[in-house]
Amino acid sequence: GAGVSQSPSNKVTEKGKDVELRCDPISGHTALYWYRQSLGQGLEFLIYFQGNSAPDKSGLPSDRFSAERTGGSVSTLTIQRTQQEDSAVYLCASSSLGDTGELFFGEGSRLTVL
Amino acid sequence: KQEVTQIPAALSVPEGENLVLNCSFTDSAIYNLQWFRQDPGKGLTSLLLIQSSQREQTSGRLNASLDKSSGRSTLYIAASQPGDSATYLCAVEKDSNYQLIWGAGTKLIIKP
Repeated sequence: GAGVSQSPSNKVTEKGKDVELRCDPISGHTALYWYRQSLGQGLEFLIYFQGNSAPDKSGLPSDRFSAERTGGSVSTLTIQRTQQEDSAVYLCASSSLGDTGELFFGEGSRLTVL
Repeated sequence: KQEVTQIPAALSVPEGENLVLNCSFTDSAIYNLQWFRQDPGKGLTSLLLIQSSQREQTSGRLNASLDKSSGRSTLYIAASQPGDSATYLCAVEKDSNYQLIWGAGTKLIIKP
């Protein structure tokens, strides 16, 4: 696609429910990143994919968070048993390694846990 | 541990003025530095990327400089316009390890 696409753009859920956030990177971009931006705080790195593998999952805040990427393209970030502190904007970015490393971001998925 | 600081946290100037946003980092061993723009309710837009071997990058009315030895980068905006109002973030990538360290941002308001 022309840009990084994320869905849903807004998600309101009840505490304890599972949610899935989707990211469709720019076609041909091998690297994909998930970040989280909580209200009043800076961006927090969650996970990085190179192709379908995730060399670094250290940013995931708890074992309730998981992510996968299939076909070297679309990625899904899953949050199980959501808590109120999970409320944030989840941003996805992609880049083409071997290039300058410039990141291209989606518009984010705003998650609100009631 | 790399830390990135942006000063000022907020800035309000009249339209037409030239302005400078500052970004400082504590560890000079960086791979690159990027400046981003964030509009309310939207994702981040990459403005300029400076590789560690470069001193500056220019795009239109924007010019970003990098001084690794002093741990500083500046984003210069010429002839500011109301449409430039946004939060500007700088981020440092260390050793091509993909993990960006972010500043807290400067919220810029350009008054018509």
